[in-house]
Amino acid sequence: DAKTTQPPSMDCAEGRAANLPCNHSTISGNEYVYWYRQIHSQGPQYIIHGLKNNETNEMASLIITEDRKSSTLILPHATLRDTAVYYCIVRVGGTGGFKTIFGAGTRLFVKA
Amino acid sequence: GAGVSQSPRYKVTKRGQDVALRCDPISGHVSLYWYRQALGQGPEFLTNFNYEAQQDKSGLPNDRFSAERPEGSISTLTIQRTEQRDSAMYRCASSLVGDYEQYFGPGTRLTVT
Repeated sequence: DAKTTQPPSMDCAEGRAANLPCNHSTISGNEYVYWYRQIHSQGPQYIIHGLKNNETNEMASLIITEDRKSSTLILPHATLRDTAVYYCIVRVGGTGGFKTIFGAGTRLFVKA
Repeated sequence: GAGVSQSPRYKVTKRGQDVALRCDPISGHVSLYWYRQALGQGPEFLTNFNYEAQQDKSGLPNDRFSAERPEGSISTLTIQRTEQRDSAMYRCASSLVGDYEQYFGPGTRLTVT
């Protein structure tokens, strides 16, 4: 079972920031928060991950609360091409090869 | 460089037949994952490998499903005596050891008639 809870859908205006929340209240100390997205019928695409510090890359920012029980993925200037299903995942990181559980995700609609 | 490849891209088979789905990971990627995805749902973990060792097969639905990766590179997911409920997109992903990012292949669309 997924260890995360996400809203099923969200809307965002083009050019505005999209803030996607995720609850993971049972996260363990050695579990990371990962975000992937899936556009239409393509395979999921990695976006970002973090342990406890906020992270930023060219795609997005990840804000993790101090108690690590929730996080927010921020797309700073959403475009129509960001319309996709966004998955928040918690799993052990490091040596690789660990079971990965995707939930239902959040379907983000970016509107012109 | 080449990404993860899967073959066939589409497979239509009759109920009761066996099918073998192939995944060719990115060169040098040690970890390999198999997922199944029904329409409108997120990927469902099936099994994974580190090198040739199968680490976790708890996601395989029943004993008709099996997977192998004998030389630590190409992997095959086999479904025996297929049933209509096996129809889905089957996706493979690979990653480097110590890396966090999984790279997904295009998937194999399996239809059991």
